[in-house]
Amino acid sequence: DQQVKQNSPSLSVQEGRISILNCDYTNSMFDYFLWYKKYPAEGPTFLISISSIKDKNEDGRFTVFLNKSAKHLSLHIVPSQPGDSAVYFCAARGHGGSQGNLIFGKGTKLSVKP
Amino acid sequence: DGGITQSPKYLFRKEGQNVTLSCEQNLNHDAMYWYRQDPGQGLRLIYYSQIVNDFQKGDIAEGYSVSREKKESFPLTVTSAQKNPTAFYLCASKQQNTEAFFGQGTRLTVV
Repeated sequence: DQQVKQNSPSLSVQEGRISILNCDYTNSMFDYFLWYKKYPAEGPTFLISISSIKDKNEDGRFTVFLNKSAKHLSLHIVPSQPGDSAVYFCAARGHGGSQGNLIFGKGTKLSVKP
Repeated sequence: DGGITQSPKYLFRKEGQNVTLSCEQNLNHDAMYWYRQDPGQGLRLIYYSQIVNDFQKGDIAEGYSVSREKKESFPLTVTSAQKNPTAFYLCASKQQNTEAFFGQGTRLTVV
């Protein structure tokens, strides 16, 4: 049973436009959410995070929005650049016996076209 | 520079052989993790260790083994019992309230 879902396997946007990547989760006890960016044959790199006590966090071109009532978060990239083309993973921090562990979605492949 | 290093980058294994993937970190992180990535599957947790000399099974531990004798090192052995070992393996480390830092990965192929 997937606790973190990224329902769009791929997304294509034009350079300069906004990219919106979505993520849904099922466990209301998650308290911290992260986005990672991954290029082929490389390890994921941390992009931005948000605590459950906030609804927005911004870092340059990247903004993450959290809607706790809907159990939904999204990553906005504005403006999108060709170098943003990568797979983006949403992750949530687990609880209980595995407190501190990150649970990942399946990823969304973003393609930014010049 | 602090970081997390996986070796080798590419590894080939014959059927029936055990192989060990190396993961070393000098970030002084307590927790270390092994993930497996397959196309369309995202990152699935194999094993994790939150402290030296202790480790726990993740979601797909069958056919794998680990050890955590030192804080800096968390090697993963892919045994012959793992029926589909060809994948991209990622090691990560983190402290309690920080993001996870990943290595560059090891691509394992069964030949």
